[in-house]
Amino acid sequence: DQQVKQNSPSLSVQEGRISILNCDYTNSMFDYFLWYKKYPAEGPTFLISISSIKDKNEDGRFTVFLNKSAKHLSLHIVPSQPGDSAVYFCAARADSGAGSYQLTFGKGTKLSVIP
Amino acid sequence: DTAVSQTPKYLVTQMGNDKSIKCEQNLGHDTMYWYKQDSKKFLKIMFSYNNKELIINETVPNRFSPKSPDKAHLNLHINSLELGDSAVYFCASSRTGGSWTEAFFGQGTRLTVV
Repeated sequence: DQQVKQNSPSLSVQEGRISILNCDYTNSMFDYFLWYKKYPAEGPTFLISISSIKDKNEDGRFTVFLNKSAKHLSLHIVPSQPGDSAVYFCAARADSGAGSYQLTFGKGTKLSVIP
Repeated sequence: DTAVSQTPKYLVTQMGNDKSIKCEQNLGHDTMYWYKQDSKKFLKIMFSYNNKELIINETVPNRFSPKSPDKAHLNLHINSLELGDSAVYFCASSRTGGSWTEAFFGQGTRLTVV
């Protein structure tokens, strides 16, 4: 039962263009959504997050959009750079009980930015 | 100065052995986690632990047990290793309660059971 889904396993984008990574979720109890970037043989690195009460959060080249009614979020990277090539994980946070919060991850999307 | 560090990075061992993976964080966080990334690349929570409570994912076999000597460390002990335990294990930490908006991850430990 995948509560967080990233339906595109891979995405290729030309350098300088926009990269759009998508994520869908099913659990209405998620209160925060996060994007992580992961290079091979390294741990996930936090990129950007958004509260469930917001619809947009922007940080430099990275913008996350949340459509709560559609249970859908997306990460926009503009302009894309070769160094952005990595696996991007969508994650959602929920209270697992007694005020302890845990992340549920999607399967990841491998982004390749072509020079 | 690494925020969350795990050792070893690679671990190859035989079936039936008992092994441990160590994790340390220097962020002053109160909550630590263990995640498993299996062959299908899913990152799944195994445990979350603070100084008050251990929350266990019900799908985790009881051969896996977290041990916390202090709040900066959460080690993972695995008994009677099986082939299916082969995966990458990630340690993570965060603040406690609902105030945090990111969790920090270690570099991972690739466990191979032969």
